[in-house]
Amino acid sequence: DSGVTQTPKHLITATGQRVTLRCSPRSGDLSVYWYQQSLDQGLQFLIQYYNGEERAKGNILERFSAQQFPDLHSELNLSSLELGDSALYFCASSVTGERETQYFGPGTRLLVL
Amino acid sequence: AQKVTQAQTEISVVEKEDVTLDCVYETRDTTYYLFWYKQPPSGELVFLIRRNSFDEQNEISGRYSWNFQKSTSSFNFTITASQVVDSAVYFCALSEADNAGNMLTFGGGTRLMVKP
Repeated sequence: DSGVTQTPKHLITATGQRVTLRCSPRSGDLSVYWYQQSLDQGLQFLIQYYNGEERAKGNILERFSAQQFPDLHSELNLSSLELGDSALYFCASSVTGERETQYFGPGTRLLVL
Repeated sequence: AQKVTQAQTEISVVEKEDVTLDCVYETRDTTYYLFWYKQPPSGELVFLIRRNSFDEQNEISGRYSWNFQKSTSSFNFTITASQVVDSAVYFCALSEADNAGNMLTFGGGTRLMVKP
């Protein structure tokens, strides 16, 4: 158990809908990362937050957004969902967000029908 | 831009065999970090090891060992006397120190199947 929690574990929804994925980092970690794992794209970095501020952005679609709250938990919002958004979404955390090991949560498996 | 290549998409061995998973990386930075993660069938990503670019010492942890060679830009992972519980997908990843933040670039993964 890495100490990173993600909810829900599974999510089934329809095209065009909007969902919110939630992540709580390990105790003491200030930085949160979101990654997407899909069959065709592999594991891809989406976005990083550090202490509430966006730190780095990767291949995140405009339909996706994220934020980190004062209690350091983070949410990833996915809107106007398409079939291709079906994937495993991971959250990871680290202490400062610089040159460190990232510890991953169990992931949220999203299925868009 | 950084890149990680795991040329072996799938490896199948019989229990107790030794197996090496290859990882080749590309980066322009002189300071960078290399990682291995394990993804068992249950789906979570489990951290195995982190190496910085200035430390080329090989590392051994139980049945696991890692061979880091800057000259060939490789960071290979060997499992000695493999066990069925080693069956998983293994990912090699790279983080560049000069990038804002700490993003990981992953290789495509190697699926290891250990048969009894």
